[in-house]
Amino acid sequence: DTAVSQTPKYLVTQMGNDKSIKCEQNLGHDTMYWYKQDSKKFLKIMFSYNNKELIINETVPNRFSPKSPDKAHLNLHINSLELGDSAVYFCASSQTGVKQYFGPGTRLTVT
Amino acid sequence: AQTVTQSQPEMSVQEAETVTLSCTYDTSESDYYLFWYKQPPSRQMILVIRQEAYKQQNATENRFSVNFQKAAKSFSLKISDSQLGDAAMYFCASGRSQGNLIFGKGTKLSVKP
Repeated sequence: DTAVSQTPKYLVTQMGNDKSIKCEQNLGHDTMYWYKQDSKKFLKIMFSYNNKELIINETVPNRFSPKSPDKAHLNLHINSLELGDSAVYFCASSQTGVKQYFGPGTRLTVT
Repeated sequence: AQTVTQSQPEMSVQEAETVTLSCTYDTSESDYYLFWYKQPPSRQMILVIRQEAYKQQNATENRFSVNFQKAAKSFSLKISDSQLGDAAMYFCASGRSQGNLIFGKGTKLSVKP
């Protein structure tokens, strides 16, 4: 069973479009995260949710909107996509003890 | 603010040899954790080893061990008996319980046969 899953794994789209990435975890964790990995492989936190409530919202354009329908799901919706949004987006989850389980990542390419 | 610094963008090791990857960090937290993650070309993030800051004993996981120097805020990873499958990007990270991770910029490790 996959602990943290993301769909889709690859996403190619044009500038100006709106797209969503879905994340689900079956570990029963309370906290979920979105990280962005840029072309230089640098990983940075975007959002963190604890039990469906937003607890971290780093300096991210408001075109990015996370949504957590329940504590097992954390989706990322992106409006008006720009070339600079091209990156790999990772979902992760954790319970106590900090160990974070990462999804396989979604490679977003904006053309 | 927490920062994590990896000063070696690339490293190379001969198969079966030992290599050490460096990491320094800065945090004002008293309770924190340190990690090394491996990212192979498949891009999956794999936890290699974890260290609780309150523990003095260095963590070990099979061929992987750390040298945790709390006063110096240093957290290096030693890989013994390197294998071809160890070739990957390695990220050092710090975090608090149920907090987000702060990552270094990574070290690309190559293993020569």
